[in-house]
Amino acid sequence: KQEVTQIPAALSVPEGENLVLNCSFTDSAIYNLQWFRQDPGKGLTSLLLIQSSQREQTSGRLNASLDKSSGRSTLYIAASQPGDSATYLCAVIGGYIPTFGRGTSLIVHP
Amino acid sequence: NAGVTQTPKFQVLKTGQSMTLQCAQDMNHNSMYWYRQDPGMGLRLIYYSASEGTTDKGEVPNGYNVSRLNKREFSLRLESAAPSQTSVYFCASHLDRGSTDTQYFGPGTRLTVL
Repeated sequence: KQEVTQIPAALSVPEGENLVLNCSFTDSAIYNLQWFRQDPGKGLTSLLLIQSSQREQTSGRLNASLDKSSGRSTLYIAASQPGDSATYLCAVIGGYIPTFGRGTSLIVHP
Repeated sequence: NAGVTQTPKFQVLKTGQSMTLQCAQDMNHNSMYWYRQDPGMGLRLIYYSASEGTTDKGEVPNGYNVSRLNKREFSLRLESAAPSQTSVYFCASHLDRGSTDTQYFGPGTRLTVL
């Protein structure tokens, strides 16, 4: 059974810092890995999707990397802003069932 | 293009009552999913449908039933609600498992069972 772990569970940083959020998974037989953002009381918004054949994806200040052999992905947020405050979840898709981590709750204070 | 829509947004039930949560997507996706999200537990898959006419159990199916009415619609039914089913329910859709497209989520249904 696939297990996905996200570290840290919570993070509080001052504005402007560069951040790294970690996601690890136990079964490397995956189709792709996806990072989501969830604001309080809202649904999930997709940030980045990395296919199993790719090493990284970038969107603006966000960069996600994937190392299938070690079962790890990282989400790098450059020059963090208060608007980045949210919960970040990673999801691994192998077979038909996506498996989610429990998320990293991020607070960026001014 | 509305994406994934869910109704209702909020619902309060008494123990033993039944209800159906509705989900629809207009992206011609094959796969649809129902999740529940509880504090400290993350997202857990209840049921999924890999294609029209098929449904399968996820991690936490007990107490729920689903219907893939057509390619667009996937409903979740609680036959006899229990307080343990108090949660936020999300519907999602995906083109298919090997797709480079992302999963899309609905806004959620916040259910309280008294």
